Amino acid sequence: AQSVTQPDIHITVSEGASLELRCNYSYGATPYLFWYVQSPGQGLQLLLKYFSGDTLVQGIKGFEAEFKRSQSSFNLRKPSVHWSDAAEYFCAVGPYAFYNTDKLIFGTGTRLQVFP
Amino acid sequence: NAGVTQTPKFQVLKTGQSMTLQCAQDMNHNSMYWYRQDPGMGLRLIYYSASEGTTDKGEVPNGYNVSRLNKREFSLRLESAAPSQTSVYFCASRDRADTEAFFGQGTRLTVV
Repeated sequence: AQSVTQPDIHITVSEGASLELRCNYSYGATPYLFWYVQSPGQGLQLLLKYFSGDTLVQGIKGFEAEFKRSQSSFNLRKPSVHWSDAAEYFCAVGPYAFYNTDKLIFGTGTRLQVFP
Repeated sequence: NAGVTQTPKFQVLKTGQSMTLQCAQDMNHNSMYWYRQDPGMGLRLIYYSASEGTTDKGEVPNGYNVSRLNKREFSLRLESAAPSQTSVYFCASRDRADTEAFFGQGTRLTVV
């Protein structure tokens, strides 16, 4: 079945430490890839997206993500985490390019906790 | 700009009652979505609509119906609510498959 996997349910880091959140997808071709963030009690905000081209994409709030076709992964990174980054992070996949559908499927999310 | 507006924000239903969740967007987007969010399960797609007049099932459509009333509005109906439908429901919209989806603030629904 086509799916999006975020293996880490909960990650805890110290403020100033680096961060990597994992995302894997299982589609037959490169889909459209997104990372969203949800702060407590809030809606979702787009951090970055990838469709084609350069496999390292930059987003807002100092985040970046790298697409690796061989690993079917789209991991989110930040060199130095701030306390305000504590939130839930969702990877999302839109398989339009291959399946001609407008679905947008989310992973189960990773909750990030930041210690001072 | 209002963006995506969901009503109501909170609702308590008794088992077996029906209700409709409303969603409207003012960004002239083609596609609209309904998700439910449950702890540990992320956002699961219930139904989506790629354009006015079309709707398609998502990952968890059972127990729900939708109507794309016009380009702006996409409603979600629970015909006979069950406790398993207790969740936070999010509506979203976007223009095309390669563009950002914008989300409403959510509706917290409790079925007792």
